[in-house]
Amino acid sequence: SQTIHQWPATLVQPVGSPLSLECTVEGTSNPNLYWYRQAAGRGLQLLFYSVGIGQISSEVPQNLSASRPQDRQFILSSKKLLLSDSGFYLCAWKPGLQTYEQYFGPGTRLTVT
Amino acid sequence: TQLLEQSPQFLSIQEGENLTVYCNSSSVFSSLQWYRQEPGEGPVLLVTVVTGGEVKKLKRLTFQFGDARKDSSLHITAAQPGDTGLYLCADLSTDSWGKLQFGAGTQVVVTP
Repeated sequence: SQTIHQWPATLVQPVGSPLSLECTVEGTSNPNLYWYRQAAGRGLQLLFYSVGIGQISSEVPQNLSASRPQDRQFILSSKKLLLSDSGFYLCAWKPGLQTYEQYFGPGTRLTVT
Repeated sequence: TQLLEQSPQFLSIQEGENLTVYCNSSSVFSSLQWYRQEPGEGPVLLVTVVTGGEVKKLKRLTFQFGDARKDSSLHITAAQPGDTGLYLCADLSTDSWGKLQFGAGTQVVVTP
């Protein structure tokens, strides 16, 4: 069966510090991968998506970046965090081109102080 | 840019009551999905609807998709505390990227 992991689960970082969040998927190959951010009690905003190694598309211009160094690994980064980067970050994967469902990871709660 | 509006923002009811939440789009949905999210977890897919006028039932949940494919409703019969959560609608793009655009959600609280 397929599983998706995210770490860390929670993170408190000062303004101006770097960020690295990691997402890995097990039990599948060549998945579509997605990063979302969610403000408290609100809907999800798509940040980045990837259909293959090294292929990253950005939805929202900001100080975040994403990379996909391996088939089942997706990384969200920032060189200098802003207060507005606080939120709940969710990684998701989709198994193929003809499927409807995305499967979400457990998320990372980021607080920028 | 498509705008998804969900209403109400918050709903608190007693166990056994019925409830309906709504999702409206400024443009036609490609495909519409409903998710439920519990605190501290990722959303879980409840249903996907594609065809205008479509009605789907999932136990006590009934999903309706408007004829014009610009609105949808989720009705829960005899709500239970386990139905508590954030209900999100999302437009699913039908291209190969499968991107989702979410509404802001309706927070539902069912008290015993």
